[in-house]
Amino acid sequence: NAGVTQTPKFQVLKTGQSMTLQCAQDMNHNSMYWYRQDPGMGLRLIYYSASEGTTDKGEVPNGYNVSRLNKREFSLRLESAAPSQTSVYFCASSDGIHSRGYTFGSGTRLTVV
Amino acid sequence: SQQGEEDPQALSIQEGENATMNCSYKTSINNLQWYRQNSGRGLVHLILIRSNEREKHSGRLRVTLDTSKKSSSLLITASRAADTASYFCATDRVGGGGNKLTFGTGTQLKVEL
Repeated sequence: NAGVTQTPKFQVLKTGQSMTLQCAQDMNHNSMYWYRQDPGMGLRLIYYSASEGTTDKGEVPNGYNVSRLNKREFSLRLESAAPSQTSVYFCASSDGIHSRGYTFGSGTRLTVV
Repeated sequence: SQQGEEDPQALSIQEGENATMNCSYKTSINNLQWYRQNSGRGLVHLILIRSNEREKHSGRLRVTLDTSKKSSSLLITASRAADTASYFCATDRVGGGGNKLTFGTGTQLKVEL
């Protein structure tokens, strides 16, 4: 099925370890986004890419880096994981046509111990 | 900071009843969107209302927007057990750029048989 694919679905890291969350979409969308979801906080934007070749910081970018590898793929990297980064991470994409909204992946549940 | 705040935080109703959720936001918007999230899943786009619209319908969903009060409501009529989920409003802010959405904290809806 067409959509947004995130890997892995679950991950446990030790403090200080690094990892990359992968996201790919097959809908030819220009824009891609990374959000984190914490209890009682809703979704907060980490980084986004309005189009291939561009990336910009969102509301909570500290401790993260991103790469828009090509039009399909947008990865999120944690260089040195901290317990405060324990969260559920969602990737989303959009074609910029507002009436269709975002398409979200199923999420990555990350625990940092 | 969160742009949107949903009210109530949690709502429990009987199947067949109507469910109303409210969203307040802080700054001028281009449009406001509503999303549904089933437990453990990604968000799904439900409906979008533009800043120059006051009411919109989609199936059993009715959305209203009052830009003077910076508020929106989502009405689900004749609710079903399958409507049990969390519902989030999201705003596309004027001057926000990049088609970014800012999400509220969500309303947890439980529809009981």
